[in-house]
Amino acid sequence: SAVISQKPSRDICQRGTSLTIQCQVDSQVTMMFWYRQQPGQSLTLIATANQGSEATYESGFVIDKFPISRPNLTFSTLTVSNMSPEDSSIYLCSVVVPRDGAHTFGSGTRLTVV
Amino acid sequence: AQTVTQSQPEMSVQEAETVTLSCTYDTSESDYYLFWYKQPPSRQMILVIRQEAYKQQNATENRFSVNFQKAAKSFSLKISDSQLGDAAMYFCALSPGGGADGLTFGKGTHLIIQP
Repeated sequence: SAVISQKPSRDICQRGTSLTIQCQVDSQVTMMFWYRQQPGQSLTLIATANQGSEATYESGFVIDKFPISRPNLTFSTLTVSNMSPEDSSIYLCSVVVPRDGAHTFGSGTRLTVV
Repeated sequence: AQTVTQSQPEMSVQEAETVTLSCTYDTSESDYYLFWYKQPPSRQMILVIRQEAYKQQNATENRFSVNFQKAAKSFSLKISDSQLGDAAMYFCALSPGGGADGLTFGKGTHLIIQP
């Protein structure tokens, strides 16, 4: 399975600012995914990031709030824009290797907005 | 759209005993993958076991096995010989199609291991 390096592991940010989270994969993958895990909750898919095309966002998530970049097959970023305390969550990236079927996750970014 | 339901917010089991975590799901897809993930306090998501819907044989990984009932849309996880290190949140998840789509998660079950 793939190995994912996610940065930063945690951050405390002022409201109104933006934070960019990075995920680096040790192999080329077509599909990368971004999830949000609100305190004490399950994971919710934010968007699917494909290389060379616009990310596909799930209902309730918009590009202006969560812009995503996918410049190549091993890297992606998620930006949380104009943050408010309600954005305090764990954000995780994941990848899937076709034919393998297993979804591998990064270690997550714990974001606190004050 | 897919839904995944875990009806047990918390389960407790004595060390060395067996515990079963429940999961039901709904999807209109005929081909899909089902997963159980473990999330310890470190928050790392760890794949426990996965099942391809077209395979009738239940998946098994050492002490972990599933009971996959496709007609009933049920996918329970059995942990045998429970160990202290099994204590964590367990999430059931579904990926439609060939497994390359994003996951829909259940709300999770907090598993407590009593020494």
